[in-house]
Amino acid sequence: EIILTQSPATLSVSPGERATLSCRASQSVSRNLAWYQQKPGQAPRLLIYGASARATGIPARFSGSGAGTEFTLTISSLQSEDFAVYYCQQYYDWPPVTFGPGTKVDI
Amino acid sequence: EVQLVESGGGLVQPGRSLRLSCEVSRFRFEDFAMHWVRQAPGKGLEWVAGISWNSGSSGYADSVKGRFTISRHNAKDSLFLEMSSLRADDTALYYCAKGRGAYPSDSFDMWGQGTMVIVSS
Repeated sequence: EIILTQSPATLSVSPGERATLSCRASQSVSRNLAWYQQKPGQAPRLLIYGASARATGIPARFSGSGAGTEFTLTISSLQSEDFAVYYCQQYYDWPPVTFGPGTKVDI
Repeated sequence: EVQLVESGGGLVQPGRSLRLSCEVSRFRFEDFAMHWVRQAPGKGLEWVAGISWNSGSSGYADSVKGRFTISRHNAKDSLFLEMSSLRADDTALYYCAKGRGAYPSDSFDMWGQGTMVIVSS
């Protein structure tokens, strides 16, 4: 099973600042990595798939990069609605699909 | 707007069984893989099971293998999760999620709001 680790566990930022979230895989997942956003009381929402492709309706301030074992989600200028928990997910080695433990982005 | 609506959750005693359902609308259900993902209170996301568009391929997390069965009925736009031998650590909000493609090895582009399962005596 491929293990995903995310850092930092919590990221404290101010609106308008840039946020950089990391996800590391225990072995290569090629570019088969996705990022999700989850706000309290809501279901997760797909942001990025294929390491760098934005999902439908996702603003351009969200971008993904990386390949192999190291990945990054960047939010270029944080808006108030971006404060949430972010999860990475690998789907290279199925089953199982695995998720990282999450990074909480708060003020 | 694409909709996924889960049902069937509730309070159940350890060792008993429960069947979850997910009804979908506004997309061609038969074309896409589907999954169940759960989230224990205050915890992260855990993939539970996935199934391909035609039920030809399915897979399970080790934590539920042999106890849970995923199935689908394409003519009724429905996904199911049969859960047996339930344990306290199966307590979670169970989400139904749509795969981006026909096979399970892909990301999940739509999610339901979840149905809560509580396993307790």
